[in-house]
Amino acid sequence: GAVVSQHPSRVICKSGTSVKIECRSLDFQATTMFWYRQFPKQSLMLMATSNEGSKATYEQGVEKDKFLINHASLTLSTLTVTSAHPEDSSFYICSARDLRGPQHFGDGTRLSIL
Amino acid sequence: RKEVEQDPGPFNVPEGATVAFNCTYSNSASQSFFWYRQDCRKEPKLLMSVYSSGNEDGRFTAQLNRASQYISLLIRDSKLSDSATYLCVVNLGGGYNKLIFGAGTRLAVHP
Repeated sequence: GAVVSQHPSRVICKSGTSVKIECRSLDFQATTMFWYRQFPKQSLMLMATSNEGSKATYEQGVEKDKFLINHASLTLSTLTVTSAHPEDSSFYICSARDLRGPQHFGDGTRLSIL
Repeated sequence: RKEVEQDPGPFNVPEGATVAFNCTYSNSASQSFFWYRQDCRKEPKLLMSVYSSGNEDGRFTAQLNRASQYISLLIRDSKLSDSATYLCVVNLGGGYNKLIFGAGTRLAVHP
C-alpha cells in the first residue's frame, strides 16, 4: 500500500531554533500534501495544503512566515517551523495524495521546544 | 459550534462488549465521511468509510444519516486491541479533499 515517510519522528530543541520536518511519498507521486498539527487531547487541525510546484494555501490563523512549506517535487514536502517557541510544541503530521486517491498519513513528528 | 463533534469519552468496556460512538457534523455540503483510528502518539489510520446505506467490516459497522448530519460507529465483541481513539472525519469535497477531524472518542477495553 501507499507509504508516506516523515522525518524526524522526534525533535527536542531550544527556543528560537528553526526546525525542518520532511514528508516523503515513497511509492506514489503526491500531487498534494497536507500539514496538520495536533495538540494533546485535541483534533488534528489542518495547517496548510501544498500542491507540487506552487505556493501553499494556509488555513486561517496559521502564519505563513512562521510555518514555511516547500513542495518542490512530487515526492517531497518540507515544513520549517521558524524561530520555534514552547507554544509551537505539538505533534505535526503530514499526509499526501495523488490526483484521485485518498490521503495517506505520515507517522508524525513530535516537536518539543524547551 | 465545532465542525465535527464527538463525545470525548473515555468509554471503558469489558472484552466482548458492544460499544457505539456518535458524531455530528455541521456542514450540510459535506460529501464523504470516515472513521479513523488513532493510537496514542501515532498517526491516524483509516478504519472505514461511511455511507448512507451503511458499511460493515467484520465487527465494525458504520452508518450515515445525512438528514440529521449524524454518523455512527458500532463495534461488536470488543477486543483489547480495539483500545484507541476513534476519529470521526468529514471531507468537504468539491475536489479540495479537505478533511475535518473530530477530537476523537477514546475507547479502553479491559479484560
